[in-house]
Amino acid sequence: QQQVKQSPQSLIVQKGGISIINCAYENTAFDYFPWYQQFPGKGPALLIAIRPDVSEKKEGRFTISFNKSAKQFSLHIMDSQPGDSATYFCAARKTGGGNKLTFGTGTQLKVEL
Amino acid sequence: EPEVTQTPSHQVTQMGQEVILRCVPISNHLYFYWYRQILGQKVEFLVSFYNNEISEKSEIFDDQFSVERPDGSNFTLKIRSTKLEDSAMYFCASSGLSGSKETQYFGPGTRLLVL
Repeated sequence: QQQVKQSPQSLIVQKGGISIINCAYENTAFDYFPWYQQFPGKGPALLIAIRPDVSEKKEGRFTISFNKSAKQFSLHIMDSQPGDSATYFCAARKTGGGNKLTFGTGTQLKVEL
Repeated sequence: EPEVTQTPSHQVTQMGQEVILRCVPISNHLYFYWYRQILGQKVEFLVSFYNNEISEKSEIFDDQFSVERPDGSNFTLKIRSTKLEDSAMYFCASSGLSGSKETQYFGPGTRLLVL
């Protein structure tokens, strides 16, 4: 019940296209859902985050869509660029406790010219 | 922009040896974390630390692991007797006060290789 399931495992998108990565969770005690971007050899960097009282959040080319009833959330990258090529992790945090983040398994995104 | 720093960037050790991984969290942050990432896998939570005590730990964080904040700036992870399966990238993270507690900033990691 603590898992966060992420798909797809890898994704190839043409430059200018839309990249979509999906995550699903079971634990209704999760109350904060960040997306992290990780480049090879680097630490995860926070990209955008959402709380379950909001159905969508947009920051620049990045949008999170959140479906509380389905317990699913997704990251949309509009106008994808080669510089977006990285691994993306969704995560979830359970209310209370030690602020632990439970990560998804990651999606390797490659944006081709 | 403030950032989390970690030393060393790489550490090679023999099985059974003790290692200490060091982190300097962002200066005004109060919550500290260790995560690890085995090559090609997801990031896994190890432990969170607040007010000089562990606030949550995972099943991975057994008696071989310990954390300490020895002074006002450093946060360390000690592995007492390393095993082959401890080989991973270890990330330190920190987050701030109540409103920004949830936003965790990660360091660049220490790659630990146990031979």
